[in-house]
Amino acid sequence: NAGVTQTPKFQVLKTGQSMTLQCAQDMNHEYMSWYRQDPGMGLRLIHYSVGAGITDQGEVPNGYNVSRSTTEDFPLRLLSAAPSQTSVYFCASSYSNRFNYGYTFGSGTRLTVV
Amino acid sequence: RKEVEQDPGPFNVPEGATVAFNCTYSNSASQSFFWYRQDCRKEPKLLMSVYSSGNEDGRFTAQLNRASQYISLLIRDSKLSDSATYLCVVTGRGSTLGRLYFGRGTQLTVWP
Repeated sequence: NAGVTQTPKFQVLKTGQSMTLQCAQDMNHEYMSWYRQDPGMGLRLIHYSVGAGITDQGEVPNGYNVSRSTTEDFPLRLLSAAPSQTSVYFCASSYSNRFNYGYTFGSGTRLTVV
Repeated sequence: RKEVEQDPGPFNVPEGATVAFNCTYSNSASQSFFWYRQDCRKEPKLLMSVYSSGNEDGRFTAQLNRASQYISLLIRDSKLSDSATYLCVVTGRGSTLGRLYFGRGTQLTVWP
């Protein structure tokens, strides 16, 4: 049981480049989310999805796109990387947001934009 | 106002000590409540859910007061391995059902 798998683990981008952070889960979870974590800021929600074909914006969506074509995958696309997007990115999934189901996190992607 | 506020810490305690963390949340309609643990440069991991009646898991006790919108975590008989950042987490409801709201975390260091 792999849980939530994020790739790549590390990435360095040049300003203006685009890339996709991959997230896959094998637990048949409906809920998936992307967060970024910056020192002193805690985790901030970028985008989330409550099921295949359904996505919504979180607190800090600018500069990022998502799609959810399957239950398993929830990729995060950086359209034109900026130094302000240097951060650690976590993907998380849950069976349900009801009745105290917790979220499982991937191990993170450490992104540096130069 | 931030959705979830936590004691900033850091807390530095000796082994065997009892330590308590507090958290408040702003949305009275929030549905589910959790404590997560995050080790340095690692992903958050679920420590325990928090139920209205209070719940215990070994040395850890969580309490929820919906009227005061207050959550607590008590760690008894602290171990060196308890050193981590503890995150208070609250879920949305209705239109924000898919969201988690995180506190900024409270750092705990247990020393020998």
